[in-house]
Amino acid sequence: GAGVSQTPSNKVTEKGKYVELRCDPISGHTALYWYRQSLGQGPEFLIYFQGTGAADDSGLPNDRFFAVRPEGSVSTLKIQRTERGDSAVYLCASSLGTGGYGELFFGEGSRLTVL
Amino acid sequence: GDSVTQMEGPVTLSEEAFLTINCTYTATGYPSLFWYVQYPGEGLQLLLKATKADDKGSNKGFEATYRKETTSFHLEKGSVQVSDSAVYFCALSGHTGNQFYFGTGTSLTVIP
Repeated sequence: GAGVSQTPSNKVTEKGKYVELRCDPISGHTALYWYRQSLGQGPEFLIYFQGTGAADDSGLPNDRFFAVRPEGSVSTLKIQRTERGDSAVYLCASSLGTGGYGELFFGEGSRLTVL
Repeated sequence: GDSVTQMEGPVTLSEEAFLTINCTYTATGYPSLFWYVQYPGEGLQLLLKATKADDKGSNKGFEATYRKETTSFHLEKGSVQVSDSAVYFCALSGHTGNQFYFGTGTSLTVIP
């Protein structure tokens, strides 16, 4: 389809394991965002890419979290040494440009459960 | 820092009732304001937006007016339908345009 695609839709892992979450944005969208949504909360900003570079990674909670977008399209969010507190829905969104006037298009999210 | 506070839910209304979901914001400069909606089993999608003071965003019978004097962007609909049942998120994009800040969401259930 033409929307934002996220895989996997569900991931169950054990504490201490490494996890990768993938986002395939809408073709032609230069801006890509990662958000985290915990139960009963709104999306929490993690990182923003403009093209290949991370323009703002101030929302990453600690150095266990890292994201890349090597060719300016698909992005991967990487979480090392997962903890139970990392359990959440990880949302990816893309936009034609910077978000202030543009619309964010969201994927359906990747639900991560850390046991 | 920039933030959004929205009315807590859940909200339950009968079909054709009037809806208001309150949203207030704190921001440096002149943010853009948005309402996003998440229908059951779907991703968030933009409902409406306003980019400057006194602008009114509207879509699908929903409206919200950007009020700088009260730092508010309340969502309203005159007559809700069962199909409006969803979670509604107020959001702002700060002066850098890079970050979106979301409220905690308000769950709306409309009963026939």
